[in-house]
Amino acid sequence: GAVVSQHPSRVICKSGTSVKIECRSLDFQATTMFWYRQFPKQSLMLMATSNEGSKATYEQGVEKDKFLINHASLTLSTLTVTSAHPEDSSFYICSAPDPLTGGDYYEQFFGPGTRLTVL
Amino acid sequence: GQNIDQPTEMTATEGAIVQINCTYQTSGFNGLFWYQQHAGEAPTFLSYNVLDGLEEKGRFSSFLSRSKGYSYLLLKELQMKDSASYLCAALDSNYQLIWGAGTKLIIKP
Repeated sequence: GAVVSQHPSRVICKSGTSVKIECRSLDFQATTMFWYRQFPKQSLMLMATSNEGSKATYEQGVEKDKFLINHASLTLSTLTVTSAHPEDSSFYICSAPDPLTGGDYYEQFFGPGTRLTVL
Repeated sequence: GQNIDQPTEMTATEGAIVQINCTYQTSGFNGLFWYQQHAGEAPTFLSYNVLDGLEEKGRFSSFLSRSKGYSYLLLKELQMKDSASYLCAALDSNYQLIWGAGTKLIIKP
């Protein structure tokens, strides 16, 4: 299957700093990528849909000025957590649908996730 | 509202069979996914059902009943490595995935 990578896999930062997470589709182009957040023992929560060449679409309750998304190319989307606080500590996962597989549906390929800890 | 329900935790014995149920209520329906997620890792795709019936794939099978808003994942010949969380997710009319909270499966020797 298609491969999606994320960097970094783990990051620890001080409160008030900004953290950038990269999501790359390695062997396919992705005009759309999804950013999820997962708290311990909870399900994935969609934060935003990243669209190549246009603005991201944010889910209700997600602050777009705090979680900056840039989808500058067909293989790269970045999520920047600005002025991070301890409550932003979570597991951030990106995914991309590969339109070349699945037929009538888009199979989601997930990145390995980024564990963010804000002290 | 949209909702996915699945048990929080299940325990089974190595070599046995376990069935993980999922019920869903969504605005429109374009299929149901099952994902496996090991602790600290991202989910990996297991199955997709959009038509009623059973789809078999090796030791794993997935069933869907659209009229009942119900699906199950059946795992046979359980192995210790099957210990993981199993996430049920439904695709709504906007092709957005609605996720369940996941079922933690514990396999005992």
